[in-house]
Amino acid sequence: DVKVTQSSRYLVKRTGEKVFLECVQDMDHENMFWYRQDPGLGLRLIYFSYDVKMKEKGDIPEGYSVSREKKERFSLILESASTNQTSMYLCASTTGNYGYTFGSGTRLTVV
Amino acid sequence: QQQVKQSPQSLIVQKGGISIINCAYENTAFDYFPWYQQFPGKGPALLIAIRPDVSEKKEGRFTISFNKSAKQFSLHIMDSQPGDSATYFCAPKDGEYGNKLVFGAGTILRVKS
Repeated sequence: DVKVTQSSRYLVKRTGEKVFLECVQDMDHENMFWYRQDPGLGLRLIYFSYDVKMKEKGDIPEGYSVSREKKERFSLILESASTNQTSMYLCASTTGNYGYTFGSGTRLTVV
Repeated sequence: QQQVKQSPQSLIVQKGGISIINCAYENTAFDYFPWYQQFPGKGPALLIAIRPDVSEKKEGRFTISFNKSAKQFSLHIMDSQPGDSATYFCAPKDGEYGNKLVFGAGTILRVKS
């Protein structure tokens, strides 16, 4: 069964901490994405990557960075966590043809 | 700007009824029109999708209707069941910008038994 695995289901971090969210896919997909999900706002794209070491800003990249050193792994980094980054974070991957496969999400709380 | 407008925000339907969720878009670069279904504690999962060269696609109880000239597409769930209770997102794909999906705000569907 193909999968997108996010390393943590729940995280609680302090304001100002550097936070790493990890995502691994086993489908050999070229494209990977990070979204955040907030009630009433749907999913908003933070960053995406269409190849190893390549990255593109999405709609809300401020306060975030990403790393893709290997094809199967895409990491989201919160450089200095703030309370307004409390959210559900979802990773997804695709071949680029059509359907996305999502992970189960990481619910991050910044206190 | 809001590229995708989804309605309604929430919907309550009796078991056996028809659920209808609508999505309106502006970006003419969208080239693939999926609906995703999300259950609590899970990531969204592809439910059904349509390409812009057809006006309707049916898979079991789920149907997408697509109106290219009006820039609208809708999800119809026939014979709605309590197990269909979930959040639904339209998420058209931007074919000109990295194959990214642009999500609507979501519709919370509750099917009453």
